[in-house]
Amino acid sequence: AQKITQTQPGMFVQEKEAVTLDCTYDTSDPSYGLFWYKQPSSGEMIFLIYQGSYDQQNATEGRYSLNFQKARKSANLVISASQLGDSAMYFCAMRAPSEYGNKLVFGAGTILRVKS
Amino acid sequence: EPEVTQTPSHQVTQMGQEVILRCVPISNHLYFYWYRQILGQKVEFLVSFYNNEISEKSEIFDDQFSVERPDGSNFTLKIRSTKLEDSAMYFCASSLAGAVKTQYFGPGTRLLVL
Repeated sequence: AQKITQTQPGMFVQEKEAVTLDCTYDTSDPSYGLFWYKQPSSGEMIFLIYQGSYDQQNATEGRYSLNFQKARKSANLVISASQLGDSAMYFCAMRAPSEYGNKLVFGAGTILRVKS
Repeated sequence: EPEVTQTPSHQVTQMGQEVILRCVPISNHLYFYWYRQILGQKVEFLVSFYNNEISEKSEIFDDQFSVERPDGSNFTLKIRSTKLEDSAMYFCASSLAGAVKTQYFGPGTRLLVL
């Protein structure tokens, strides 16, 4: 079974609109972390947001928020007020130490294009 | 803001040659990692390093690969005899601690094996 699943290969959003990028995960580790990274066309990996499995509140970082639904094993990234500079590949990743060690396990990514 | 740096940004090499990719992790971080991303594919874990030894490695990290922390700041990945399929973006990352702490990535080294 896929450990991290991102079902949307590509998404379009109108500038200034909000967009949700989907991510589901699979682990039996009760203590895990979920991460989102942005990869612009220049190739670097930029950390956006983190959600711990025991966190009571959904994580937020500026225009980024994480819609964490633990029972559904989903950790969707919400970008509010999209900007042209948000056009990039977005990766969801998980760290589940007791099951997968300390490495990050990545999904296949979603390409986001913001239209003006 | 402290960041992970990597050199070179691009490297072209002939098949069978050795390459060394260099990384300077964030200074107070303790865990170091190498990942790679073949063009158009997902990011894959190669190896993690803690306390001057490998703590985990993937099946990709075979005998052709080695890592070293030759001094207090650098962290290197060596590919002894490159193959065409080693062509990829190689990312170094570091984190403060192992358990569910954020890993910060460097800008990557794009390796092309001809």
